[in-house]
Amino acid sequence: NAGVTQTPKFRILKIGQSMTLQCTQDMNHNYMYWYRQDPGMGLKLIYYSVGAGITDKGEVPNGYNVSRSTTEDFPLRLELAAPSQTSVYFCASSSGSWKDTQYFGPGTRLTVL
Amino acid sequence: DAKTTQPPSMDCAEGRAANLPCNHSTISGNEYVYWYRQIHSQGPQYIIHGLKNNETNEMASLIITEDRKSSTLILPHATLRDTAVYYCIVRFTSGTYKYIFGTGTRLKVLA
Repeated sequence: NAGVTQTPKFRILKIGQSMTLQCTQDMNHNYMYWYRQDPGMGLKLIYYSVGAGITDKGEVPNGYNVSRSTTEDFPLRLELAAPSQTSVYFCASSSGSWKDTQYFGPGTRLTVL
Repeated sequence: DAKTTQPPSMDCAEGRAANLPCNHSTISGNEYVYWYRQIHSQGPQYIIHGLKNNETNEMASLIITEDRKSSTLILPHATLRDTAVYYCIVRFTSGTYKYIFGTGTRLKVLA
């Protein structure tokens, strides 16, 4: 049981490039989330999903897109990378029950130059 | 979702109890209090949560005041490995289960 896995661990992008951050969970959780964390700050919710085919915006969705075609996978897409998107990105999942707790992946450190 | 207020930093001597306070004065009756911690730059780790009763598990104890406007996370015997940023979060008992993270308390355990 690997939990939540994220790839890649590190990435450097040039301004205007695009990329997809991958997130996979093997706990059969319905709910999945993407957060970003800027240096010295708390986590900000980008997008979340309550099940396959259902996604919704969080606090800071601009510049990102998501899709959820399967229960296991929740990729995050950056279309036109900007320096303001330099951050650490965390994916999380949860069961969605009343005693719900979120399980986080190890993060992807992204630098846009 | 209710907002939380935490002190930005605290120190604790190794082996002593660490008491981390959190204010959530606008909490509503159907919101849980959750605590997570983040060690260095790893993903946050769940510690404990509660609704209105005090809770204890193998990691920590959670004390919630009777009016639910504040809570305290207690690490009974802090070790150097407990040095981390601790986040207090409130969220609804149903719905989208979204968390709103603040900036947390940076706990430093001193040898």
